[in-house]
Amino acid sequence: NAGVTQTPKFQVLKTGQSMTLQCAQDMNHNSMYWYRQDPGMGLRLIYYSASEGTTDKGEVPNGYNVSRLNKREFSLRLESAAPSQTSVYFCASSPVGSYEQYFGPGTRLTVT
Amino acid sequence: AQSVTQLDSQVPVFEEAPVELRCNYSSSVSVYLFWYVQYPNQGLQLLLKYLSGSTLVKGINGFEAEFNKSQTSFHLRKPSVHISDTAEYFCAVRGTSYGKLTFGQGTILTVHP
Repeated sequence: NAGVTQTPKFQVLKTGQSMTLQCAQDMNHNSMYWYRQDPGMGLRLIYYSASEGTTDKGEVPNGYNVSRLNKREFSLRLESAAPSQTSVYFCASSPVGSYEQYFGPGTRLTVT
Repeated sequence: AQSVTQLDSQVPVFEEAPVELRCNYSSSVSVYLFWYVQYPNQGLQLLLKYLSGSTLVKGINGFEAEFNKSQTSFHLRKPSVHISDTAEYFCAVRGTSYGKLTFGQGTILTVHP
């Protein structure tokens, strides 16, 4: 099992460029999440998907969009990147009835 | 809504010494509590969790934590640390009927030889 995979691992964007961060899980989990991690701020929830076909905003959704493409995949899109979006992005998934989230290895994004 | 405060941003300690990483939470509802560990350049991994029952919970790698409802705390302890325990540790909370986790700011544990 690969668990939760994320691509790319690293990305540098210029201000105003767009990109999509990809996340996939092979554990048949229902729920998926996108977080950003910034020094001294822990992890903050951007968007989540409780099940296939549904998405909801988290704590810091501005500047982002998401797509739950199918049960396995949950992508995060930055339409017009800003330097404030420089961060490490983590995807996570969770099975029904479980309180544990399983995290991917992260994508380190720099916006110049 | 919940919030989590990790009282120390950095904890340096020598190898084989005991360590305690402190976590306090605030919530108006019953909660589940978690500690996650993040090794350098990796994702987060669950260390241990409190859902119900005994207030002393044991996790992987010799860590344990005690849930104290009256003090709204969930401190993480290890009696003897190793160099390999060097990592960032996150306390997290979620309501018992609400699926989203709220994370603390993280504590960087550095174990020196």
